[in-house]
Amino acid sequence: QSVLTQPPSVSGAPGQRVTISCTGSSSNIGASFDVHWYQQLPGTAPKLLIFGNSHRPSGVPDRFSGSKSGTSASLAITGLQAEDEADYYCQSYDSQSDSKVFGTGTKVTVL
Amino acid sequence: EGQLVETGGGLMQPGGSLRLSCAASGFDVSTKYMSWLRQAPGKGLEWVSVIYRGGSDASTHYADSVEGRFTISRDDSKNTLYLQMNRLRVDDTAVYYCARDMGGWRDASFEAWGHGTLVTVSS
Repeated sequence: QSVLTQPPSVSGAPGQRVTISCTGSSSNIGASFDVHWYQQLPGTAPKLLIFGNSHRPSGVPDRFSGSKSGTSASLAITGLQAEDEADYYCQSYDSQSDSKVFGTGTKVTVL
Repeated sequence: EGQLVETGGGLMQPGGSLRLSCAASGFDVSTKYMSWLRQAPGKGLEWVSVIYRGGSDASTHYADSVEGRFTISRDDSKNTLYLQMNRLRVDDTAVYYCARDMGGWRDASFEAWGHGTLVTVSS
């Protein structure tokens, strides 16, 4: 089972801002390990969206931003677009299991 | 940036064995941390295994769910990553992805992914 907890779904109208939370514990996010975010469009492989808590790879629009505080992290999407409809996953490292761990995933729906 | 292409998936019976391959292009797998991950149908992502360091000194690490059953390896001459899966179980059914880690181990993200290959374990 996933070690990081995300809301199952979030939705918003085009142009709105939505946020996705990722809650961990003292053995992962709370231990200062980096959080990364992935976007998975329907039927495709995940794509790196945010790395190192808040950094965007080349080509990722600045509408996507990440932050981290304490045992949680957040992904914000501003100016929501229809093409943003996808599943989003957070990921970090867990020292207790010595493994990379993922969030439960959040489906973003554009109304 | 490079490309990753997985092959070898299929329908297997419980207890069987299967080897997945991941052919890399545009970079050398021997110089990177390379991982296998999987995603069960309709479920989330799960990290499976990682291999790192070059040549015969390669190190490996596994998720508890596959430790002792799966083996990750690499053929540097073919620039290809492998996952040997033995004693397959129904709950191993998933799309398997290979991915390149960005940098080291603990704080590294998965910066490049293959398209995945489906493994179905069913009697």
